[in-house]
Amino acid sequence: GAVVSQHPSWVICKSGTSVKIECRSLDFQATTMFWYRQFPKQSLMLMATSNEGSKATYEQGVEKDKFLINHASLTLSTLTVTSAHPEDSSFYICSATHSSGRTDTQYFGPGTRLTVL
Amino acid sequence: GNSVTQMEGPVTLSEEAFLTINCTYTATGYPSLFWYVQYPGEGLQLLLKATKADDKGSNKGFEATYRKETTSFHLEKGSVQVSDSAVYFCALSDPQTGANNLFFGTGTRLTVIP
Repeated sequence: GAVVSQHPSWVICKSGTSVKIECRSLDFQATTMFWYRQFPKQSLMLMATSNEGSKATYEQGVEKDKFLINHASLTLSTLTVTSAHPEDSSFYICSATHSSGRTDTQYFGPGTRLTVL
Repeated sequence: GNSVTQMEGPVTLSEEAFLTINCTYTATGYPSLFWYVQYPGEGLQLLLKATKADDKGSNKGFEATYRKETTSFHLEKGSVQVSDSAVYFCALSDPQTGANNLFFGTGTRLTVIP
């Protein structure tokens, strides 16, 4: 159990376009989903935390107007990179926590590699 | 504040060698500690965890013991396999906010050669 999927697994887009990444908890309800960004050979950087039905909480330095997060249901959160630029190219990873009260473990998706040309 | 420091890689070992990846932490209070593994092209997977002092987490032959006195959570495996080649991340969760605040180390890349 506790499987998290992401779609797409990789995407290439032109500069100036927007890209949407989906994160789904497949076999559990997720009260909270997290979005991370991982640069090559570096650790994960938390971008934002989203709770179902409420606005996401963004970490300092993350542009909320550029990285739009929607958490419409207990099993789906989306990250939209608006007006993407080459510097947005990165590996984006989501994770989710149970809504059963076991909030101490995050389950991670496989990641989405974004390349902006 | 909360932070995690783990040994820099990359680490290259021969198959069946003993593995240690050091991890130390700084935290206010008593965090839970985790090791995550990231295989090539995949997302992070929880490898093991420990939630209180002296707890030992174990999985797939890997072990780590929560040492409060040395603020450490070193990862060990007695005999590594080629399939263990991956990046290993040590992490802690803030005890007050739980999984809402997970701090990662920078990761250690392990390569196991036949």
